[in-house]
Amino acid sequence: DVKVTQSSRYLVKRTGEKVFLECVQDMDHENMFWYRQDPGLGLRLIYFSYDVKMKEKGDIPEGYSVSREKKERFSLILESASTNQTSMYLCASSSEHGTLGGYTFGSGTRLTIV
Amino acid sequence: DQQVKQNSPSLSVQEGRISILNCDYTNSMFDYFLWYKKYPAEGPTFLISISSIKDKNEDGRFTVFLNKSAKHLSLHIVPSQPGDSAVYFCAASAPDFGNEKLTFGTGTRLTIIP
Repeated sequence: DVKVTQSSRYLVKRTGEKVFLECVQDMDHENMFWYRQDPGLGLRLIYFSYDVKMKEKGDIPEGYSVSREKKERFSLILESASTNQTSMYLCASSSEHGTLGGYTFGSGTRLTIV
Repeated sequence: DQQVKQNSPSLSVQEGRISILNCDYTNSMFDYFLWYKKYPAEGPTFLISISSIKDKNEDGRFTVFLNKSAKHLSLHIVPSQPGDSAVYFCAASAPDFGNEKLTFGTGTRLTIIP
């Protein structure tokens, strides 16, 4: 069964900490994405990557960075966590050879910044 | 600026009846549209898609309709079943980045009443 795995289901961090969210996919997909889901706002794209070491800003990149050193792994970094970054974070991947827009999502990481 | 909007946060439908979920978009560059379904504590899963060259696409109980002049799409589920209770997100993409970058709506929570 193909998978996108997010390292933590729940995470609590302190304001000002540097936070790493990890995502791994086992489908050899070229494209990977980080979204956050907030009530009333839906899913908003933070960053995406269409190749190793490549990254593109999404709609809300401020306060975040990403790293993609290997094809299967895409990391989201909160440089200095703030309470407004409390959210559900969803990682997704897709193949340029698969269904157009057919993302496979991970189960999400619920991050709380205190 | 919400480019993809779902104006109904929630919808309740009797089991066996038709569920109609609506979605509006503002970006005229969008040319590919999708619906995703999300259960609690899981990532969204791809449901059905439609290209702007079509006005209807059907897959079993699910049909998506696209009205380009009105910038409106809808998802019809017939007949509705209890397992259809979930949050539904519509999404859209444009030809930049090969249509792989999706913009999601805010979601509609569908509840099927037995």
